[in-house]
Amino acid sequence: AQKITQTQPGMFVQEKEAVTLDCTYDTSDQSYGLFWYKQPSSGEMIFLIYQGSYDEQNATEGRYSLNFQKARKSANLVISASQLGDSAMYFCAMRKDDFNKFYFGSGTKLNVKP
Amino acid sequence: GAGVSQSPSNKVTEKGKDVELRCDPISGHTALYWYRQSLGQGLEFLIYFQGNSAPDKSGLPSDRFSAERTGGSVSTLTIQRTQQEDSAVYLCASSLSLTEAFFGQGTRLTVV
Repeated sequence: AQKITQTQPGMFVQEKEAVTLDCTYDTSDQSYGLFWYKQPSSGEMIFLIYQGSYDEQNATEGRYSLNFQKARKSANLVISASQLGDSAMYFCAMRKDDFNKFYFGSGTKLNVKP
Repeated sequence: GAGVSQSPSNKVTEKGKDVELRCDPISGHTALYWYRQSLGQGLEFLIYFQGNSAPDKSGLPSDRFSAERTGGSVSTLTIQRTQQEDSAVYLCASSLSLTEAFFGQGTRLTVV
């Protein structure tokens, strides 16, 4: 069975600094995707970034990048130049490449300090 | 619309009543997912639909919960005889590509 682990319940980062949110996963599947979502206090789930299991390059989307280490089964999210608006809950998720259900981690609450 | 739309945004219902939650996915998206999120908790899978395949209902917590997807588009999640433990935010997501999936703003259900 698939399992997603986010070991940091909460984190603080100073504004304008970079921060890494950890995510490890467990799967026996060979073809899958990894996703990160941001959930502000308003409750919406905002899609941030995707990494495919066969992608050789780490995914990047603006200030977001994914540090993908397949052998270690980790998919850490790196946010560069943190902004106050980055304060939110962040969820890591995995889905097999057959549109099966998403498996979510328990989330990391990020607080950006001015 | 451009995104996934859920209605109502908020629903307060009395214990024992039935409720229907609606999800309008992004046009053309073949996969549709329902999750729920209790206060301060993670996301709990309920059900997903993919194209014309039989839905995966393995996450539905009891037979009071059911969902359908008409014409491969709009989906309705029905909760019968609501209980206080059903209070949560119910989130719907849709997906066409393997590389992305988008959530609606959710329906906050409160059972009193």
